[in-house]
Order: sequence, then C-alpha cells, then structure tokens
Amino acid sequence: ETGVTQSPTHLIKTRGQQVTLRCSSQSGHNTVSWYQQALGQGPQFIFQYYREEENGRGNFPPRFSGLQFPNYSSELNVNALELDDSALYLCASSLWATGVVYGYTFGSGTRLTVV
Amino acid sequence: AQSVTQLDSQVPVFEEAPVELRCNYSSSVSVYLFWYVQYPNQGLQLLLKYLSGSTLVKGINGFEAEFNKSQTSFHLRKPSVHISDTAEYFCAVAQGGSEKLVFGKGTKLTVNP
Repeated sequence: ETGVTQSPTHLIKTRGQQVTLRCSSQSGHNTVSWYQQALGQGPQFIFQYYREEENGRGNFPPRFSGLQFPNYSSELNVNALELDDSALYLCASSLWATGVVYGYTFGSGTRLTVV
Repeated sequence: AQSVTQLDSQVPVFEEAPVELRCNYSSSVSVYLFWYVQYPNQGLQLLLKYLSGSTLVKGINGFEAEFNKSQTSFHLRKPSVHISDTAEYFCAVAQGGSEKLVFGKGTKLTVNP
C-alpha cells in the first residue's frame, strides 16, 4: 500500500509569484484535503476535494485554489504569494463514504518559503 | 465552531517516566478524535483515533487515549517514554460527517535521559 506523496519537498518563491504543489493520494482513498501549517502552529484546513469537486473550505482567500484529478491526485495553487504564505503545506487523503470517516493519511509536506 | 485546546505547549519528562498530554475539545455533536505525532521536518503520523465504541483507545508505540464525553477530553498517555518519543503531538477533532480536521496548537514533548 503506497502512502501519500507530495512534491516538491521544498520551494522558495518571490512575493507576488504563483505556486503549484502536488499530492498523490494513498491507494484506495477518494478524498484529499490540504492543510497549511505555519511555524509553531497546528495545521489549518484549507479545503477538501471529493469526486473532483471542492467539498468544504476553510478560512482562506480565493487565491488558494485546488484540483482533484480522476486518479485522486491533487494540486494546490496559490496566486499572488504573500510573505505570510510561508508554511508547511500538508496533503491528507482519506476514504469517505456516507458520512463515515475511515481516517486520514498525511504526506510529509511541502515547505514553501516566500521571500 | 469546533475548537481544540491542548493545555500544555511543552512537556519535558525523563526517560522511562509516564506522560500525559492533555486535550479538550468543544463540540455539541458526535465527534471523531485523533492524535498525531510530528517529528522534526516531517509530516503527521497517526497515533490513534476514536470513532466510536470503547472509550479507551490503544495506538502505536505504546500510546493510549481515553475519550471522556462528559469532560470533552481526549488525553494521550504513555506509561514509560523513550528518547525517541521526543516530537510534537497534535490533537484533532472532526465533526461527524465532516472530513475537516480541526487541530490544536500542539504539545512539544521532550524526553530527557
């Protein structure tokens, strides 16, 4: 059973640029969620995708967007990067069926630094 | 809105001592509860979870947690810690039917020789 893989592991971008982070879900999982973890904080929910559609969103502006593909892999896109976007971005996949939570598997994250 | 409070930001203990990391949550409906561990520069690894059933949940690496609905708590315990348990521990809650996890701010456990 493969786990959740994220790429790249580290990234440095300049303020105002755009970035795309990628995630491959664990085999058999149908839902992917993205979290932002600022330094010294717990992860904050950005959004979740189920069946290629956004299925819940946290308190993040529209410049944070995402995609889920038919093979359940996912992308997180952030436009107009700000210094405060510097964080560890975590992808989590899960199997969700009729309101039952079977658990979440997290990737190792992408460390984004905005300068 | 749900919230999770981890009462201790840092917990130093000596090797082979017992440890308890405290977690309280706020919710008026059924919840699922989780503990995750994060080693430096790594992602989150699931230690244990409570979905339903027995209130005492056993996880990996000798950790266990007890769900207490009346006190809205889900404290994590280990009877004897090792140096390798040094890490940050996060308590999280998901409301029944929701995939969104709400995390606490974390507790940094440091095990000293």
